[in-house]
Amino acid sequence: DTEVTQTPKHLVMGMTNKKSLKCEQHMGHRAMYWYKQKAKKPPELMFVYSYEKLSINESVPSRFSPECPNSSLLNLHLHALQPEDSALYLCASTLRTTGTGYPDTQYFGPGTRLTVL
Amino acid sequence: AQTVTQSQPEMSVQEAETVTLSCTYDTSESNYYLFWYKQPPSRQMILVIRQEAYKQQNATENRFSVNFQKAAKSFSLKISDSQLGDTAMYFCAFMENRNQGGKLIFGQGTELSVKP
Repeated sequence: DTEVTQTPKHLVMGMTNKKSLKCEQHMGHRAMYWYKQKAKKPPELMFVYSYEKLSINESVPSRFSPECPNSSLLNLHLHALQPEDSALYLCASTLRTTGTGYPDTQYFGPGTRLTVL
Repeated sequence: AQTVTQSQPEMSVQEAETVTLSCTYDTSESNYYLFWYKQPPSRQMILVIRQEAYKQQNATENRFSVNFQKAAKSFSLKISDSQLGDTAMYFCAFMENRNQGGKLIFGQGTELSVKP
């Protein structure tokens, strides 16, 4: 089973709200990723967690705060977002990171469509 | 820095025909991995096919096959017997073997429309 689940599917929030996106996988993968994607554009990497530790932060504004409570779960906490943050947020996971010298295929979730008013 | 270029922003093909999507990349590495992902209007990103650079044999998955030209740094995707369900945005992606964290470098995408 190569399934990554994301909740909620859709989220509308105001600029003063605090909300969270959730991503879950039960494939035993040890690397998890957050991407931001605008319409008809490629995904942009935001964060990478490897063995529950943040390994890559692509200079993302602090209003986005990732959290990896365990190897199956990845959260993205949102606070004081701007309208330009409206996008599709994708989560992905791989069995292991390339630190082992053997990169694995990234499997993506269906995404959360976020609208910031 | 590694880059991936998809020179065809949009393409269309008649149902049952064959279409080829192009992708070129730039890297100084000798060992790396290439992927084609499909993203239909539902927006779920789905892996289509994967190629390891050390393998000379081109990867195939049912109606999907690649033409991997390592010296030319070219990685095109051929879709045979196109179906309406193949309508999607297709992204070519590159991952180098030694990259920490498995960072994917995506091309800008090719929007493919399959017409009945």
